[in-house]
Amino acid sequence: QKEVEQNSGPLSVPEGAIASLNCTYSDRGSQSFFWYRQYSGKSPELIMFIYSNGDKEDGRFTAQLNKASQYVSLLIRDSQPSDSATYLCAVITRVDSSYKLIFGSGTRLLVRP
Amino acid sequence: DGGITQSPKYLFRKEGQNVTLSCEQNLNHDAMYWYRQDPGQGLRLIYYSQIVNDFQKGDIAEGYSVSREKKESFPLTVTSAQKNPTAFYLCASSIGLWRNTGELFFGEGSRLTVL
Repeated sequence: QKEVEQNSGPLSVPEGAIASLNCTYSDRGSQSFFWYRQYSGKSPELIMFIYSNGDKEDGRFTAQLNKASQYVSLLIRDSQPSDSATYLCAVITRVDSSYKLIFGSGTRLLVRP
Repeated sequence: DGGITQSPKYLFRKEGQNVTLSCEQNLNHDAMYWYRQDPGQGLRLIYYSQIVNDFQKGDIAEGYSVSREKKESFPLTVTSAQKNPTAFYLCASSIGLWRNTGELFFGEGSRLTVL
């Protein structure tokens, strides 16, 4: 069973701090990695994707990928209360002869004013 | 505005009843998906469709059925065979199937409660 693991949280950080969200995956052959943000009662929306080892920055968000250690992380700089949400990690992994997008259970982030 | 429309937003069902959740998209996407989300859980795939008149079972298809007669529409029927149907149901679409992209566009969801 291919798995994507996340700490459920909540991760609580003060406003202005860096929030670090982590995700590990079991399939070493996974190629594509995504971070979705989901506000309470709402649907997920894609905020970052990363395909290559290293860092990818977009505004206050940085995705980090380490394929050798099989983890992907999301850093949120200058955290704002509006960043409070559940962050879902998703990985495209090969299952039998096809590919699937597998979601982790999410990490709840709380940014304290 | 392009997007995905799900209806109804809230639905109550008595045990033993079938219900159908609607999903319509005007993004001209080929692939469509149905996910189920339970409290504190990730998204679990129910069914997906890559093209019209073709669909595949996901990880938790038992007790559900779908159709894809039009590119824009992918309704989900929750049958009485589904033992624990109370959940948040999310419809999504993408330009191509996962092989090409993991960017899914989601509808606002339908919350089903069985009384």
